[in-house]
Amino acid sequence: QLVESGGGLVQPGGSLRLSCAASGFTVNTDYMSWVRQAPGKGLEWVSVIYTGGSTYYADSVKGRFTISRDNSKNTLYLQMNSLRAEDTAVYYCARADFDSSGYYYFDHWGQGTLVTVSS
Amino acid sequence: QSVLTQPPSLSGAPGQRVTISCTGSSSNIGAGYDVHWYQQLPGTAPKVLIYDNNNRPSGVPDRFSGSKSGTSASLAITGLQAEDEAEYYCQSYDNSLSGVVFGGGTKLTVL
Repeated sequence: QLVESGGGLVQPGGSLRLSCAASGFTVNTDYMSWVRQAPGKGLEWVSVIYTGGSTYYADSVKGRFTISRDNSKNTLYLQMNSLRAEDTAVYYCARADFDSSGYYYFDHWGQGTLVTVSS
Repeated sequence: QSVLTQPPSLSGAPGQRVTISCTGSSSNIGAGYDVHWYQQLPGTAPKVLIYDNNNRPSGVPDRFSGSKSGTSASLAITGLQAEDEAEYYCQSYDNSLSGVVFGGGTKLTVL
């Protein structure tokens, strides 16, 4: 199970940290990712952290967002800085499982947390 | 604009067969990366329906099937039921973007 928290209303240029508490598996032995969905729009991949600690980001958030994890708390995080109106979305935490082509898909999802960037 | 192209909407009557297409390019589906499909019911998180092009997780009915050829993939739903009314997304990897990409989604309406 994945449970996100930390969403809310923030002003443009502000910061927010999302958390995702995992149970039933450990965040440091699986690839973990964040996927977002703007209101009424489709899914957009945001970031992934590999088991070895490597991190990757969508171009739209690179340099502003940081994915991390706390193994002792079995929790995934997304630090979001310099927030913009276009970052308004429901943010989902997801566990990624390997696919046969060497990359991954998302086999477990949290319920999502809403981030609203507005003045 | 999404990297993977899906029809925005489709409809079908109960019992019918519908197919949702997902068209990519040589940097994603055409490069040999797997395609995965998700179902998102209104107000809920997405759920994986098909992984690795044509595999169903346990619990997904065999009415759902996936295929892939060249730079495209398809999700077929046979024996359409009212509970299949949802948004469907395809997903793959893109080597020019170095990241996961999704289709824009297809809203399926059961008439």
